[in-house]
Amino acid sequence: ILNVEQSPQSLHVQEGDSTNFTCSFPSSNFYALHWYRWETAKSPEALFVMTLNGDEKKKGRISATLNTKEGYSYLYIKGSQPEDSATYLCASPVPINFGNEKLTFGTGTRLTIIP
Amino acid sequence: EAGVVQSPRYKIIEKKQPVAFWCNPISGHNTLYWYLQNLGQGPELLIRYENEEAVDDSQLPKDRFSAERLKGVDSTLKIQPAELGDSAVYLCASSSRGHFTDTQYFGPGTRLTVL
Repeated sequence: ILNVEQSPQSLHVQEGDSTNFTCSFPSSNFYALHWYRWETAKSPEALFVMTLNGDEKKKGRISATLNTKEGYSYLYIKGSQPEDSATYLCASPVPINFGNEKLTFGTGTRLTIIP
Repeated sequence: EAGVVQSPRYKIIEKKQPVAFWCNPISGHNTLYWYLQNLGQGPELLIRYENEEAVDDSQLPKDRFSAERLKGVDSTLKIQPAELGDSAVYLCASSSRGHFTDTQYFGPGTRLTVL
C-alpha cells in the first residue's frame, strides 16, 4: 500500500453496541501511526500515537492496535455512546520521494451512534 | 493549558478578494503546521514551520498563497486572490518538535467559503 486508507467511509452503530474500523498505511520506513477524533465544529482531538509493532493503547472505551509488518491499525469502541459520534482520522508518514516522507491523513471514518 | 487558537472561525468572501487566517499555537511549541481540508478528504499539509523557518512548503500554491510566522510564535496564512476552489477548512496545528512521533494539536479551523 502506498497511501493511508481508512474503511469503512461511514458507519451507523446502535447505542450500546461495540464497533471497530481500520486504517491501512505503508509498512516500509514506518515511524508512527496517529489516531484523531474530530467532532463537528470542534478541533481534531489526538487519541493515540502508536510506534511499536503489536502495540495496544486504551483510553476509556476506545482502544487501538497496531501491526507495522502488514501495515494496519484497528480502532475499537466498546459500548458506543452518542458522544462517540465523530469522524475518526488516522495518519502516518508516506514516502513522497526518495528519502523523504510526509505525514498523510486518511479520509476518515464517519461514525454515527443511533440512540 | 490553552489550545491552538485560530481566527476567524468562519469567513465568506467573493472570488478574487484577499483573505487571511491567524493562528496562535500552544505556548512553547516550536513546530507549526497549516493544513487544508476539503470536504470528504483528510487534512493535507500546506506548510510546516520550525520556529520562524518554513521547512516544508512544497504543497503551498505560491502563486496565490503566502504564510509567515513572525518571531516563531503566531502565524498568518493569506490567499490573494481567492478562487472558488479555495473553499475548504484551513486547520492550524502545533507540536513540540516536529518529529513524526510527536502529537500534533489542532485548532478548530477556519471554514472559508468563496462565492
